[in-house]
Amino acid sequence: GAVVSQHPSWVICKSGTSVKIECRSLDFQATTMFWYRQFPKQSLMLMATSNEGSKATYEQGVEKDKFLINHASLTLSTLTVTSAHPEDSSFYICSAREGDPSYEQYFGPGTRLTVT
Amino acid sequence: GNSVTQMEGPVTLSEEAFLTINCTYTATGYPSLFWYVQYPGEGLQLLLKATKADDKGSNKGFEATYRKETTSFHLEKGSVQVSDSAVYFCALSDLTLRGNAGKSTFGDGTTLTVKP
Repeated sequence: GAVVSQHPSWVICKSGTSVKIECRSLDFQATTMFWYRQFPKQSLMLMATSNEGSKATYEQGVEKDKFLINHASLTLSTLTVTSAHPEDSSFYICSAREGDPSYEQYFGPGTRLTVT
Repeated sequence: GNSVTQMEGPVTLSEEAFLTINCTYTATGYPSLFWYVQYPGEGLQLLLKATKADDKGSNKGFEATYRKETTSFHLEKGSVQVSDSAVYFCALSDLTLRGNAGKSTFGDGTTLTVKP
């Protein structure tokens, strides 16, 4: 099946710094990628939807200037958490889809961010 | 808007017991329904899906039937194993809703622990 990778798998950073998380589709071209945030023992919260070559669409309540998303190619999307604070600590998961909404989403393994 | 309600956990069963995790949904269109599984520290994996009413999704001994009349998609397995211990998420994706890019709506997840 299709594989989606994320890098890094975990990261610890200091408050005020920025962190970039990569999401790659390894064996298919992802026209759409989704970024989710998952709090402990809770469900996934969709943060934004990104289409290759265009600006990401953010969900209500998600600060686009804080969570910068770039979908520069058909195999790579990045999420940058700017000026991170401890409350940004979470598990960030991306998913990728090859074509229109009838295609399946494939999920990455997630990135654990801890802000100290 | 769309929503998914899952049976609250945690669920603890003995090996070879019968499993049911209830899931009901609310959707404005004609959604596809999914069950995902998340093992500790990992991302989500698609377990099974059904795209229209009365479809049955099945995989690895798990089954779920799309019941439009009761708006349900309950997950079942006849004999669980210790290796089935994970968090299970019910989700829907409404492909008929214009402009939503096939975004998924997730339930809160149900933690299953199977004891030997």
